[in-house]
Amino acid sequence: DGGITQSPKYLFRKEGQNVTLSCEQNLNHDAMYWYRQDPGQGLRLIYYSQIVNDFQKGDIAEGYSVSREKKESFPLTVTSAQKNPTAFYLCASSIEIQRVNTEAFFGQGTRLTVV
Amino acid sequence: ILNVEQSPQSLHVQEGDSTNFTCSFPSSNFYALHWYRWETAKSPEALFVMTLNGDEKKKGRISATLNTKEGYSYLYIKGSQPEDSATYLCALPGTSGTYKYIFGTGTRLKVLA
Repeated sequence: DGGITQSPKYLFRKEGQNVTLSCEQNLNHDAMYWYRQDPGQGLRLIYYSQIVNDFQKGDIAEGYSVSREKKESFPLTVTSAQKNPTAFYLCASSIEIQRVNTEAFFGQGTRLTVV
Repeated sequence: ILNVEQSPQSLHVQEGDSTNFTCSFPSSNFYALHWYRWETAKSPEALFVMTLNGDEKKKGRISATLNTKEGYSYLYIKGSQPEDSATYLCALPGTSGTYKYIFGTGTRLKVLA
């Protein structure tokens, strides 16, 4: 079955450490996205990628980095520069970023806690 | 940043009741509106993609309407069932030229048996 897989489901990080969240899709989608959810807030866009080897900052990119070396994979690194990293992170993909009449598909998310 | 608002934030209804909630957005530069259902411990799943003013979509007991001129969409659930309990999100592509999705904060629905 095609879909998006995020791992791990839960992640604990010590302050000052970088950590990488995995997102893999086998839907052959060009566009991939990372969102962050905090209590009482909507999903906020961190980074997005329209195509392999290309990515753009979203609305809250500070303290995060991404890569898109393969079409299937869009890992997110939460760096020590991110001041408040404890949150729920959701990865998504869509066929092409311009095709707004097609839906996005989502992973199950990773809950990151800084201890 | 495009501002997408959903109301109410949460809703409790009895099994069998019908309910509806709203997604509001600026009416300028509209491209499309998506509705997603997000059940606890699962991934959000698309319900509807709407693009034209006056669009009406239906899937089983759930339907949605779109008014792009006044900037709102309604989601209706007829005869709510416990399995309808979820957070319902609407999303719109963002500022012109980027097509990024902007999500509302969602409406959390709890259907009581």
